[in-house]
Amino acid sequence: EAQVTQNPRYLITVTGKKLTVTCSQNMNHEYMSWYRQDPGLGLRQIYYSMNVEVTDKGDVPEGYKVSRKEKRNFPLILESPSPNQTSLYFCASRETGFTGANVLTFGAGSRLTVL
Amino acid sequence: AQSVSQHNHHVILSEAASLELGCNYSYGGTVNLFWYVQYPGQHLQLLLKYFSGDPLVKGIKGFEAEFIKSKFSFNLRKPSVQWSDTAEYFCAVNPSIYGNNRLAFGKGNQVVVIP
Repeated sequence: EAQVTQNPRYLITVTGKKLTVTCSQNMNHEYMSWYRQDPGLGLRQIYYSMNVEVTDKGDVPEGYKVSRKEKRNFPLILESPSPNQTSLYFCASRETGFTGANVLTFGAGSRLTVL
Repeated sequence: AQSVSQHNHHVILSEAASLELGCNYSYGGTVNLFWYVQYPGQHLQLLLKYFSGDPLVKGIKGFEAEFIKSKFSFNLRKPSVQWSDTAEYFCAVNPSIYGNNRLAFGKGNQVVVIP
């Protein structure tokens, strides 16, 4: 089954404790992206990647890092989490090129709480 | 600032009522337009999309949307809603200034359909 898999789905952590949210897709998509969803703010893009070793900032990159060492994986790293990073995080992927233009496949979401 | 606007964040209606959700954007030039739906506890799924051609597009589950270029709008409609349409709906715009890399999301419409 074609899917985007995120882990963990739920996480409670404390301020300053580094964490990584993993994202993996099995569709051989070149493009991957991370979003955060907050009530009343919709989805905001954190980082995206056009291909292996190619990443770029989205609208709200502060406090986050990403890496793209393999095509299928795009982990989101919070080096020193803070309470304002409490949110619901979605990973998404798509084909590149016109036929895949922004028709994203989303993961199930990771709900992160930073105390 | 350039943006995607969705009005009436909370919508409550009865089954069989008609639904219309507004979406306006402020980007100039060519745009690709999308509506995504998020059912309770689930990830986002594509409802419909517009790239070019007929400005009236039909999506899944009886939804349709109309692109009016002169009004910078892409409103979503359904003539007769069902309880299962309870969800959050997001309009998303891919403006040409971003190339094919980024989507800008609206803040969403929370729709509750009362049986």
